[in-house]
Amino acid sequence: NAGVTQTPKFRILKIGQSMTLQCAQDMNHNYMYWYRQDPGMGLKLIYYSVGAGITDKGEVPNGYNVSRSTTEDFPLRLELAAPSQTSVYFCASSYGGMTEPTRHYEQYFGPGTRLTVT
Amino acid sequence: DQQVKQNSPSLSVQEGRISILNCDYTNSMFDYFLWYKKYPAEGPTFLISISSIKDKNEDGRFTVFLNKSAKHLSLHIVPSQPGDSAVYFCAGRKYNFNKFYFGSGTKLNVKP
Repeated sequence: NAGVTQTPKFRILKIGQSMTLQCAQDMNHNYMYWYRQDPGMGLKLIYYSVGAGITDKGEVPNGYNVSRSTTEDFPLRLELAAPSQTSVYFCASSYGGMTEPTRHYEQYFGPGTRLTVT
Repeated sequence: DQQVKQNSPSLSVQEGRISILNCDYTNSMFDYFLWYKKYPAEGPTFLISISSIKDKNEDGRFTVFLNKSAKHLSLHIVPSQPGDSAVYFCAGRKYNFNKFYFGSGTKLNVKP
């Protein structure tokens, strides 16, 4: 299993450009997440999805869009990039579910995409 | 509004000694907590979790303690090893929601 994969690893964007960060998982997880991590800060949830066709906003959704057409893929779209979106972006997935003691909440993270907007 | 706080940005410990990383939360609706470890240029990896119905969970050298009345949890690593040097994040989940709130992390340095 490749786990959670993210592309690209690095990207530099000019202000106003757009791009899509790709995320894929091969663990048949229902839940997928996008986080951003700014220097010295924790991870902030941007968007998440509990299954194909279902997405919802996290703490910091402004300036981003997502879609989930398949279980495996969860791309994050940046429209009109701004310097405030300079960050490291992590995608994660989990099985989900509500029962203990199984570790259904455990999130598996990708290696991250380092994005700089200048 | 930061719902999960890790007030110590860094911690330095001698190899073989105990490392104690602390985490506080503000929301009494949190029912599940996780600790993640992160090396530079990698994504976080799951370490250990605890449900709010428990006050302790152990996994090898790692033990997490939960004090619900104080809204405080701590991660103990015994004995600490140089390979444990990383940034540690705690995260909390609100009951019946699928979102986790992360702290800002504590950078642990275990000196040989």
